[in-house]
Amino acid sequence: AQRVTQPEKLLSVFKGAPVELKCNYSYSGSPELFWYVQYSRQRLQLLLRHISRESIKGFTADLNKGETSFHLKKPFAQEEDSAMYYCALSHNAGNNRKLIWGLGTSLAVNP
Amino acid sequence: GAGVSQSPSNKVTEKGKDVELRCDPISGHTALYWYRQSLGQGLEFLIYFQGNSAPDKSGLPSDRFSAERTGGSVSTLTIQRTQQEDSAVYLCASSAQGQPQHFGDGTRLSIL
Repeated sequence: AQRVTQPEKLLSVFKGAPVELKCNYSYSGSPELFWYVQYSRQRLQLLLRHISRESIKGFTADLNKGETSFHLKKPFAQEEDSAMYYCALSHNAGNNRKLIWGLGTSLAVNP
Repeated sequence: GAGVSQSPSNKVTEKGKDVELRCDPISGHTALYWYRQSLGQGLEFLIYFQGNSAPDKSGLPSDRFSAERTGGSVSTLTIQRTQQEDSAVYLCASSAQGQPQHFGDGTRLSIL
């Protein structure tokens, strides 16, 4: 079955602490993995996609095919990182790139 | 416009009524997706449009749900004979081919 699992509904850290939001997936094929973020009262927006292999706002995520994981990491969390984070996957070829979503992790960065 | 536009932003209606939700994608984006975000259920795919191809309707939960995309641009999601379980945020996204999806603000639908 195609599935994205985010085991933590809520993650609370202090400012300056490292943060890791976990994402595991199950997919019979070659997926493309994404992290989307939703800040308070804003729309969903793309944070990272695994094929870009870039760092956005200090966040990185590495696709581990052996562990079927795509964990999101940041070495020093900031208060403005507080938001809802969603891991998602799609097929990585063809036109139809419908997204399969995890349930999301709410990150709270405390001062 | 600069982004995906959805209307209305909020809709409250009585059980049994029909509702229409509108999505105006980013100009030039050929792919358009509808998703639903229900409390405790997360985001789920509903339907996908790509150019003039037949849409992928595999995510529509029942035959009360339908959608169309006129002229390859604006899309309308229609829910007939609404039920309380239809209450959710309905999100629209568009993308250029092979590119990430850009989302609208959504329509918050409440069925009384």
